[in-house]
Amino acid sequence: NAGVTQTPKFQVLKTGQSMTLQCAQDMNHNSMYWYRQDPGMGLRLIYYSASEGTTDKGEVPNGYNVSRLNKREFSLRLESAAPSQTSVYFCASSYGGQPQHFGDGTRLSIL
Amino acid sequence: AQSVTQLDSHVSVSEGTPVLLRCNYSSSYSPSLFWYVQHPNKGLQLLLKYTSAATLVKGINGFEAEFKKSETSFHLTKPSAHMSDAAEYFCVVSGMVNQGGKLIFGQGTELSVKP
Repeated sequence: NAGVTQTPKFQVLKTGQSMTLQCAQDMNHNSMYWYRQDPGMGLRLIYYSASEGTTDKGEVPNGYNVSRLNKREFSLRLESAAPSQTSVYFCASSYGGQPQHFGDGTRLSIL
Repeated sequence: AQSVTQLDSHVSVSEGTPVLLRCNYSSSYSPSLFWYVQHPNKGLQLLLKYTSAATLVKGINGFEAEFKKSETSFHLTKPSAHMSDAAEYFCVVSGMVNQGGKLIFGQGTELSVKP
């Protein structure tokens, strides 16, 4: 099983450029999540989607938008990238109250 | 509101000695608690979970954790460290299912294992 697949794995952007991070899961999970990981801060929730057709803000949503395209796919968009958004981004999915399954991450650098 | 505090940012042990990674939580209701492990340049893998059943929870790779409500703690232990245990460990508390099952992460504890 592939689990949670994130693309791309690495990306370098210039300030002001836009980009969409892709995430897909094949476990038929209802809920999907986007986190960012920064040194010494654990993972912080950016946006989540409790079910297909719904999205909600997490702890750090500013500068990001999301789309729950269907049950499998949940994308994260940076409209105008800023150096403060340099981070490692993780997508996760879960069903009901079960633990979340994580992708391997997208390492994003913004110059 | 829930929160979680990992009491050590870095722990170093020798191979074959016990591991103790400390975690305290705060929750206004009976929480679900997890430990995740992250190896370098990898995603997070679930080690174990507590969901109000047995207070001593056994996980993968010989790890276990004990839920102590009176101390609001959920410390992770392993009797004998292995070199492959070197990684970052996250203590996590879960929000309610009707809040999307959001996870609140501790800051992480980096475990080093010396030969």
